[in-house]
Amino acid sequence: EADIYQTPRYLVIGTGKKITLECSQTMGHDKMYWYQQDPGMELHLIHYSYGVNSTEKGDLSSESTVSRIRTEHFPLTLESARPSHTSQYLCASSSGQRTGELFFGEGSRLTVL
Amino acid sequence: KNQVEQSPQSLIILEGKNCTLQCNYTVSPFSNLRWYKQDTGRGPVSLTIMTFSENTKSNGRYTATLDADTKQSSLHITASQLSDSASYICVVSDRGSTLGRLYFGRGTQLTVWP
Repeated sequence: EADIYQTPRYLVIGTGKKITLECSQTMGHDKMYWYQQDPGMELHLIHYSYGVNSTEKGDLSSESTVSRIRTEHFPLTLESARPSHTSQYLCASSSGQRTGELFFGEGSRLTVL
Repeated sequence: KNQVEQSPQSLIILEGKNCTLQCNYTVSPFSNLRWYKQDTGRGPVSLTIMTFSENTKSNGRYTATLDADTKQSSLHITASQLSDSASYICVVSDRGSTLGRLYFGRGTQLTVWP
């Protein structure tokens, strides 16, 4: 079983609120990722990090921001949530090898009213 | 354009039956292909990963095949169980970067009925 954890699992908030989705892994992986997934659709990469103090935007434009101050921690923040941010957010990590397995967290289901 | 297409979009089978899910891709240059199982409301879990030189790989009742020439892969599930009900996602990685960019299919939603 993967040692990657996301909190909260479910979050319902009002428009304009600031939220932070937490992601932690205990596998010592350098590479971490945030994906966004809507029902019946493919996963879209919104942020990734190749190590401490390294963050990059992914393929899907997102108003969220991320930080990587510690290897094991990769939080995602929305400064002002809107209903369009309603989605499932999945955090993942990998050892970085080309054929290395990608481990996913259980996901955070965000609903913005 | 690099793409991953999965079929069927959804599938219903009876418990104990076998089924095969398809994945066609146009990703190039190809590095590897992965199959993931995603239970409703959960994160995806890896089933298999195959590189260019591998044409079949098994994980219990799951057997994946890869034809790199035709850019097709299949996931065969034998003697299905109720717990196999999930979305099965095909993911293809390219060789265009050190890590390899991942291209995700939309998944096949499998439902196993008793």
